[in-house]
Amino acid sequence: QITLKESGPTLVKPTQTLTLTCTFSGFSLSTNAVGVGWIRQPPGKALEWLALIYWDDDKRYSPSLKSRLTITKDTSKNQVVLTMINMDPVDTATYYCAHRGVVARGSFFDYWGQGTLVTVSS
Amino acid sequence: SYVLTQAPSVSVAPGQTARITCGGDNIRSKSVFWYQQKPGQAPVLVVYDESDRPSGMPDRFSGSNSGNTATLTISRVEVGDEADYYCQVWDSSSGHFVVFGGGTKLTVL
Repeated sequence: QITLKESGPTLVKPTQTLTLTCTFSGFSLSTNAVGVGWIRQPPGKALEWLALIYWDDDKRYSPSLKSRLTITKDTSKNQVVLTMINMDPVDTATYYCAHRGVVARGSFFDYWGQGTLVTVSS
Repeated sequence: SYVLTQAPSVSVAPGQTARITCGGDNIRSKSVFWYQQKPGQAPVLVVYDESDRPSGMPDRFSGSNSGNTATLTISRVEVGDEADYYCQVWDSSSGHFVVFGGGTKLTVL
C-alpha cells in the first residue's frame, strides 16, 4: 500500500528558503518508471504543479518557478526533498507530494500525501 | 503554455447526471486525468487515461474526450459527490509538463 507524507515548517518569513520533505512507503524510487511530484494549492485556489523527480534522477520543473525550485531524492531513506528559495506571501499554500502514475500519453498522480500548509509571513 | 479551461461551478440534483467539462486546444490528442477534492482533503484520482478508473472507484464516474473538450460524467449523483473536480494533462511540448485546469465546484442541490 502506497503512502506519502509531507513534513516541514508551517511558517516561514519572506525571503527565506522553504525545505519540505516527502517520506513515502509502498514503493521504491530506484524502481524503473517511478516518480514523485510536488503540487501546491493556495487557499481557495486551484492546484499548481511544481516539480517531478524520476527514478533515474531526471527532473522536471514548472517553468514559472524553475529558478526557485530544487527537487532531490534520497532513495535509501525513501524521501524526496523540495527546496524553494526566496519565499513570498503569495507562496502561502498547502503543499502536496504525490506518486507518479504513467500511461502511454503522460504522467499523473495516483497517490497523494495529506498535504502541509505553509504560511509565509513576517 | 497549454491552458485547460473549466467552468467554475456546476449544480445538479441527487440522482441526476453531472457533466464537468475541460477545454483545451486539441485536447483529444492528450490523455486526460480527473481528480476529486473534498474540503480539507487531498485530491483523489477518479479517472485516468480519459476513461479508466482506479480500483475501487465507482463506475458512476466516467470520462470522455473529443475535439477540444474532455468531459467527466458522474451518473446517479450522490450528496457525497459534492466536491471540486480538476482535470489534468501532460504537455511535454510546452515544457509545462503537468497542467491542471482551474477546477469546477460540483454542488449537489
